[in-house]
Amino acid sequence: KNQVEQSPQSLIILEGKNCTLQCNYTVSPFSNLRWYKQDTGRGPVSLTIMTFSENTKSNGRYTATLDADTKQSSLHITASQLSDSASYICVVIGRSNYQLIWGAGTKLIIKP
Amino acid sequence: DVKVTQSSRYLVKRTGEKVFLECVQDMDHENMFWYRQDPGLGLRLIYFSYDVKMKEKGDIPEGYSVSREKKERFSLILESASTNQTSMYLCASGTDQPQHFGDGTRLSIL
Repeated sequence: KNQVEQSPQSLIILEGKNCTLQCNYTVSPFSNLRWYKQDTGRGPVSLTIMTFSENTKSNGRYTATLDADTKQSSLHITASQLSDSASYICVVIGRSNYQLIWGAGTKLIIKP
Repeated sequence: DVKVTQSSRYLVKRTGEKVFLECVQDMDHENMFWYRQDPGLGLRLIYFSYDVKMKEKGDIPEGYSVSREKKERFSLILESASTNQTSMYLCASGTDQPQHFGDGTRLSIL
């Protein structure tokens, strides 16, 4: 069964600290993997997109990594800011462009 | 700035009512999507449309229908609302996969 599991479910860190969010998937075949940020009360916004041949992609303070062999991805946030408080969702695209398997997200809270 | 606009942010309806959720995009995208988002679950695809008047069932189409009469507008219809359809509904558009999302409609069925 195609699944995407994210950990932790929630995370609280102090402003300025770094953190890493995990995504494990069992989707096969695999086309690409995306990380989204979803602010409370808003729709998801794309942060990074990686194909199976890429192992890292950065977007400012966000860096995503992908290990297609172990079917794991991570999102690293550097020098966190209060505005990083949000849910972060991992999405894996399978055999067709319409087969998107969404993780349940990690809720990140940045405390001042 | 690209935009996907959902007509209502919050909506409260009664069981058995017919409910319409509207979504408009201004990017001339071919594809539009309707998802529902529930706590602890990933987004689940209800229906998508790849062209005007064309639609495809997603993972959870039961109890829903859709309408795409114009390229920019995609409507989700709850034929006879039930309490288990209380959820956050997200519309998206894209050239192939969903790229841009609306801010969602939080629908409560009483």
